[in-house]
Amino acid sequence: SQQGEEDPQALSIQEGENATMNCSYKTSINNLQWYRQNSGRGLVHLILIRSNEREKHSGRLRVTLDTSKKSSSLLITASRAADTASYFCATDANTGNQFYFGTGTSLTVIP
Amino acid sequence: EAQVTQNPRYLITVTGKKLTVTCSQNMNHEYMSWYRQDPGLGLRQIYYSMNVEVTDKGDVPEGYKVSRKEKRNFPLILESPSPNQTSLYFCASSLAGASYEQYFGPGTRLTVT
Repeated sequence: SQQGEEDPQALSIQEGENATMNCSYKTSINNLQWYRQNSGRGLVHLILIRSNEREKHSGRLRVTLDTSKKSSSLLITASRAADTASYFCATDANTGNQFYFGTGTSLTVIP
Repeated sequence: EAQVTQNPRYLITVTGKKLTVTCSQNMNHEYMSWYRQDPGLGLRQIYYSMNVEVTDKGDVPEGYKVSRKEKRNFPLILESPSPNQTSLYFCASSLAGASYEQYFGPGTRLTVT
């Protein structure tokens, strides 16, 4: 399966600190996306990075992509309690429109 | 308001009793998809549809059926539910495929006893 894996599975930090989570996947991709999920609710799209991009920013989010290592990282700077959620990476397979999610990182930001 | 809706939100049923979970989007999206989420396994794609009358299997299609007769609707059908289909189900849509951000519904928590 193409399904990715996030690392770490769980992360607990103090408010104001930076949070970094990593995603690894198995086959070639066209793009990689990051999503956030609050406690069993629907996922919310955060950012999309294409395979020819190496870094992308959106507000307090910074995403990197290393296609040679088949990995991506999501950095959340100056974290807030409201950032407490699970974070998932998701990839397509460059041969079609199937979508693959990783297993997620559970982030807890302590006020 | 742009949204994906799912019904019902919660469902408890018994083994073998056919059920349908509806999904509707109001964004004129081409692509729609169903996922199931289980602890420790993340989200796994069940079926997806690129357009009306076009559906394809995802990673875990066994025991599920879908149809796409209208652009806005993409129902998930369990002909004979079994306890291993107890899960949290999400419908999602995107403009035109896996290269675009997906918009998710609120989820349907299904329990099969």
